[in-house]
Amino acid sequence: KQEVTQIPAALSVPEGENLVLNCSFTDSAIYNLQWFRQDPGKGLTSLLLIQSSQREQTSGRLNASLDKSSGRSTLYIAASQPGDSATYLCAVIGAGSYQLTFGKGTKLSVIP
Amino acid sequence: DADVTQTPRNRITKTGKRIMLECSQTKGHDRMYWYRQDPGLGLRLIYYSFDVKDINKGEISDGYSVSRQAQAKFSLSLESAIPNQTALYFCATSDMTSGRGYEQFFGPGTRLTVL
Repeated sequence: KQEVTQIPAALSVPEGENLVLNCSFTDSAIYNLQWFRQDPGKGLTSLLLIQSSQREQTSGRLNASLDKSSGRSTLYIAASQPGDSATYLCAVIGAGSYQLTFGKGTKLSVIP
Repeated sequence: DADVTQTPRNRITKTGKRIMLECSQTKGHDRMYWYRQDPGLGLRLIYYSFDVKDINKGEISDGYSVSRQAQAKFSLSLESAIPNQTALYFCATSDMTSGRGYEQFFGPGTRLTVL
């Protein structure tokens, strides 16, 4: 059974700092990996999708990388802002399963 | 207007009551999903549907049923609600024809409390 782990569970950084969020998964046979943002009590916003044939994706200040062989992904946030404060979730779809398996998230706080 | 909408947004009900949560989408996607989110447990898949005639159980389907009334509508029912079904429920959609394979888009969620 696929398991997704996100470390750390919570992170607090000062505004302007660059930071990295980590995601690991136990079965490297994935179809894609998706990073989401969730604000308190709100829905999930898709940030980046990395398909299995890709190594990274970028959107603005966000860059996500994927290393399938080691079962790892990172989300890099450059020049963090207070508005980046949220919970970030990593999820993978296993090849042939069609189901997203989620990590439990990293709660990010960016301090002004 | 939001692409994926859920109604109601909040619901308080009593043990034993039947309730229905509804999801509608204007994205034209073929696939729809229901998840629940619990503190400390993350999001877990309840049911998913690849088209109107296709319904599949997810990881935690016991105590739930679904109906895909149209391509754009997917409802989740709790036949006899119990307190441990108190959670945040999300509907999601995806489009196999998009070329972005299985990317999922989520609704705003329904907060359900069972007393």
